[in-house]
Amino acid sequence: NAGVTQTPKFQVLKTGQSMTLQCAQDMNHNSMYWYRQDPGMGLRLIYYSASEGTTDKGEVPNGYNVSRLNKREFSLRLESAAPSQTSVYFCASRERVGEAFFGQGTRLTVV
Amino acid sequence: AQSVTQLDSHVSVSEGTPVLLRCNYSSSYSPSLFWYVQHPNKGLQLLLKYTSAATLVKGINGFEAEFKKSETSFHLTKPSAHMSDAAEYFCVVSDRGASGTYKYIFGTGTRLKVLA
Repeated sequence: NAGVTQTPKFQVLKTGQSMTLQCAQDMNHNSMYWYRQDPGMGLRLIYYSASEGTTDKGEVPNGYNVSRLNKREFSLRLESAAPSQTSVYFCASRERVGEAFFGQGTRLTVV
Repeated sequence: AQSVTQLDSHVSVSEGTPVLLRCNYSSSYSPSLFWYVQHPNKGLQLLLKYTSAATLVKGINGFEAEFKKSETSFHLTKPSAHMSDAAEYFCVVSDRGASGTYKYIFGTGTRLKVLA
């Protein structure tokens, strides 16, 4: 029972490079979320998806795009990475009012 | 709009003494509230949740929290701290927004230090 799986676990990018963070869940949840975690700032919501085919901006969407490919998968894309995007990224899924289940995180460094 | 405020960024207690981590929330409707713990370089673990049932919620590892609507608070407590409780704790609020979708919003965290 995998839960929420994120890939990759670690990544180093050069400024200006692009990449996609992948997230998949096997719990048949409708809602999925992307967060970034920075020291002293908690987890800040980047984008979320209430259901397949819909996405909404969170607190810090600038510099990111997302795709809800199907009910299982929700990807996060950095089109032109900046050092300010160095962070730990978490994906989560949940049903409408239950608790969220989190992936193990992706540690991204932009140099 | 929903939001959550964790009133202390750092809390220090002695081992064996009570723990109190404070959380206030803002919500337009009927919120669900959660507490998570994160040990250094680890993932997030759910401690407990409130989803409109009993207002006093018991969680894992001896933690509990009380939902107080009149005070818009959901403080986390434990009667006796253990060294293993040293970690960062996050309060989370979820509510139906204006668009009908449910965000899941974190506080900025409280780092708990337990002194021997």
